[in-house]
Amino acid sequence: EVQLVESGGDLVQPGRSLRLSCTASGFNFYGYAMHWVRQAPGRGLEWVSGISWSSGSIGYADSVKGRFTISRDNAKNSLFLEMNSLRGDDTALYYCAKDTSGSQYYYNYIDVWGRGTKVTVSS
Amino acid sequence: QSALTQPPSASGSPEQSVTISCTGTSSDVGGYNYVSWYQQYPGKAPKLIIYEVTKRPSGVPDRFSGSKSGNTASLTVSGLQAEDEADYYCNSYAGSNRYVFGTGTKVTVL
Repeated sequence: EVQLVESGGDLVQPGRSLRLSCTASGFNFYGYAMHWVRQAPGRGLEWVSGISWSSGSIGYADSVKGRFTISRDNAKNSLFLEMNSLRGDDTALYYCAKDTSGSQYYYNYIDVWGRGTKVTVSS
Repeated sequence: QSALTQPPSASGSPEQSVTISCTGTSSDVGGYNYVSWYQQYPGKAPKLIIYEVTKRPSGVPDRFSGSKSGNTASLTVSGLQAEDEADYYCNSYAGSNRYVFGTGTKVTVL
């Protein structure tokens, strides 16, 4: 069974850092691009960041560029999101998501989602 | 990098059809055939229902169909059923290793 399990969400003060993790199983993790997508309470989906299978191509939403860093460890079937200088508007459920693209140069579509990990930024 | 524009809500009676629009630009929806649609129930993760503008994953009823014209993509749900009441989001590749989601549409079955 294809599965993505996120962890690392927490209550954190503004300005602090947090690292999210996602462990994949049931598919060849190294073969596909991966993403983080977030959803603030009562709001819509927002793409946060994506990374190609080789980590050679990375993209960020303007709202997190310079503050968040995506990375992956293909040997450990794991995806990460390092979040620095957190703000109140980063409060959201963060989903790990699998793309169908095996390319360095573009994405196709997301076909698998995790259940999400909750990040709350508040003093 | 603005969100794709969707109507906040749409509704229809059982067995009727409802169409949801998703308007972007030539840099996203109009520039690529990588438009997908997701269905989301409250408290649940999104589920893929349409990919590459018109294709349906296995297991998704053929009541769901997608199309695109210029910078606007559309999702049509024909023969509405009670279980179709959910939030729907479009998504498009936007170049330079970026995605953009739509603002979301809440579908109500009257």
